[in-house]
Amino acid sequence: QKEVEQNSGPLSVPEGAIASLNCTYSDRVSQSFFWYRQYSGKSPELIMSIYSNGDKEDGRFTAQLNKASQYVSLLIRDSQPSDSATYLCAVLEWGGGGNKLTFGTGTQLKVEL
Amino acid sequence: DVKVTQSSRYLVKRTGEKVFLECVQDMDHENMFWYRQDPGLGLRLIYFSYDVKMKEKGDIPEGYSVSREKKERFSLILESASTNQTSMYLCASSFGTSNYGYTFGSGTRLTVV
Repeated sequence: QKEVEQNSGPLSVPEGAIASLNCTYSDRVSQSFFWYRQYSGKSPELIMSIYSNGDKEDGRFTAQLNKASQYVSLLIRDSQPSDSATYLCAVLEWGGGGNKLTFGTGTQLKVEL
Repeated sequence: DVKVTQSSRYLVKRTGEKVFLECVQDMDHENMFWYRQDPGLGLRLIYFSYDVKMKEKGDIPEGYSVSREKKERFSLILESASTNQTSMYLCASSFGTSNYGYTFGSGTRLTVV
């Protein structure tokens, strides 16, 4: 069974700081990785995807991937109170004619004023 | 805009009832998924489907069944609801061989009393 591990948190950061969220995965074959944001009582929404080693930036968000270490992270710069949510890491696996995501249990982020 | 619609936002059912949760997507996606989400346990895959009339068991299929008679609709059936099936149920869809992750519906919070 493929595993995706995240620290459950809560991770507390002051407003304006950089929030760093980490994720490790067990399957060396995995090629595609995703970060979802989930507000309390809402469904997950996709915020970042990354497929190659290195960094990928989108606005205040940067995803980092290191396949050799089986490690993916999400950096949020200039954190805002509206970033307070649970962040889910997901890893794509192929099989049976389609794709399937395995999710971590999520890290709760709290951005404090 | 891509959309996954779940028929009910909140549902209360009695123990032993047969419960139908409906999910419709308008994006012509091949893949559809049913998850449940519980505190501390994250997203757990119940069933998924890569094509019409096709279904595969996920990690926790016991007590559930599914139906996919049309490409756009994927139904989750609780044959005889029990209190341990009280949960948030999330439907998602994706293209067959895409790397683009899932689009989630808004979720159905089911309470079995």
